[in-house]
Amino acid sequence: GAVVSQHPSRVICKSGTSVKIECRSLDFQATTMFWYRQFPKQSLMLMATSNEGSKATYEQGVEKDKFLINHASLTLSTLTVTSAHPEDSSFYICSARSPSGTPYEQYFGPGTRLTVT
Amino acid sequence: GQSLEQPSEVTAVEGAIVQINCTYQTSGFYGLSWYQQHDGGAPTFLSYNALDGLEETGRFSSFLSRSDSYGYLLLQELQMKDSASYFCAVMDTGRRALTFGSGTRLQVQP
Repeated sequence: GAVVSQHPSRVICKSGTSVKIECRSLDFQATTMFWYRQFPKQSLMLMATSNEGSKATYEQGVEKDKFLINHASLTLSTLTVTSAHPEDSSFYICSARSPSGTPYEQYFGPGTRLTVT
Repeated sequence: GQSLEQPSEVTAVEGAIVQINCTYQTSGFYGLSWYQQHDGGAPTFLSYNALDGLEETGRFSSFLSRSDSYGYLLLQELQMKDSASYFCAVMDTGRRALTFGSGTRLQVQP
């Protein structure tokens, strides 16, 4: 089946620093990937849609200058949290559409737990 | 815009049957999906309904009524490992991204 990986799985950083999270599709090509954020005991909130070779589409209320997304290849999308603050501490999850083409089925990475101190 | 409503918590015993309901409002409907997420883990796809009716996959079934903007996930022969959060999700026809419900935390007791 389709596998999506994320790295790192956990990261602790100091306030004001930047953190890069990688999302890879391991055995398929993903022209579109999605980035979600999930706070404890809450739902997944879509942050942005990452498109290979073009600019990401951000959801309303998500600061594009703070959450930089790059989708440089068909298997890699990165999310950089710039000048992180404690309120950015959350579980960040990426996903990609099924390679079989069914748009309603997405494969999720294992997530990255970010803690900003 | 889109919004989905689910009960926040459901408790059931091993071997029982539980139904998790989902009502939605969406401007463009592409189908209703269900995902399971264990604590600290990634969501995994369970099922999808594009048309009215019941879809069965092993112990799990999902139902959709488009006229009522309503669906449910039915879990049979509950096992302890089914304790998790369950999310319904809709996909809009425009950007084809998923919008998730608030999630239902299922606790299976012995």
